[in-house]
Amino acid sequence: NAGVTQTPKFQVLKTGQSMTLQCAQDMNHEYMSWYRQDPGMGLRLIHYSVGAGITDQGEVPNGYNVSRSTTEDFPLRLLSAAPSQTSVYFCASSYSRSVDTQYFGPGTRLTVL
Amino acid sequence: TQLLEQSPQFLSIQEGENLTVYCNSSSVFSSLQWYRQEPGEGPVLLVTVVTGGEVKKLKRLTFQFGDARKDSSLHITAAQPGDTGLYLCAALYGGATNKLIFGTGTLLAVQP
Repeated sequence: NAGVTQTPKFQVLKTGQSMTLQCAQDMNHEYMSWYRQDPGMGLRLIHYSVGAGITDQGEVPNGYNVSRSTTEDFPLRLLSAAPSQTSVYFCASSYSRSVDTQYFGPGTRLTVL
Repeated sequence: TQLLEQSPQFLSIQEGENLTVYCNSSSVFSSLQWYRQEPGEGPVLLVTVVTGGEVKKLKRLTFQFGDARKDSSLHITAAQPGDTGLYLCAALYGGATNKLIFGTGTLLAVQP
């Protein structure tokens, strides 16, 4: 199993550009989520999904969109990038939404100029 | 609003020393997890505690969940350079949605 994979590893955008961060898992997990990590802030939940076709907002959803058309994939879209979105983004998955181990991807380091 | 506060934020110690990291909240949580993150990688789960007063040991690491399920601590005995990393607590919050909220993190450096 590859676990949770994320692409790209690094990305530089200009203000106003759009892009999609890819996340895939091969563990047949129902629960997937996106976090951003900033210095001194820990990880903050952006969006999450409890299964294909079902998504919901986390703590900091503004400026991001998600969709979940398959169990395996959970892409994160930045519609119009802003410097405040410069961060490291982590995708995670778990078997269920209750007490369970979350498996994290390696992260995407995004810089918005 | 940050629901989980960790202390200290930074800790630099010598190999062989003991240390304790704290995770505190004003809210009651159903369970709490501790993760360790190394540079350039995602967090990796160390332990989950679910019962107030519960104590779990993982080799030289001892985890405790407070009786009121509002706080937790991580104690490392005889720290080693391999323990270096960012330690994050995370708590399940919010009924049916069970969102996982992370603390601010403690950056530990163990000098040889």
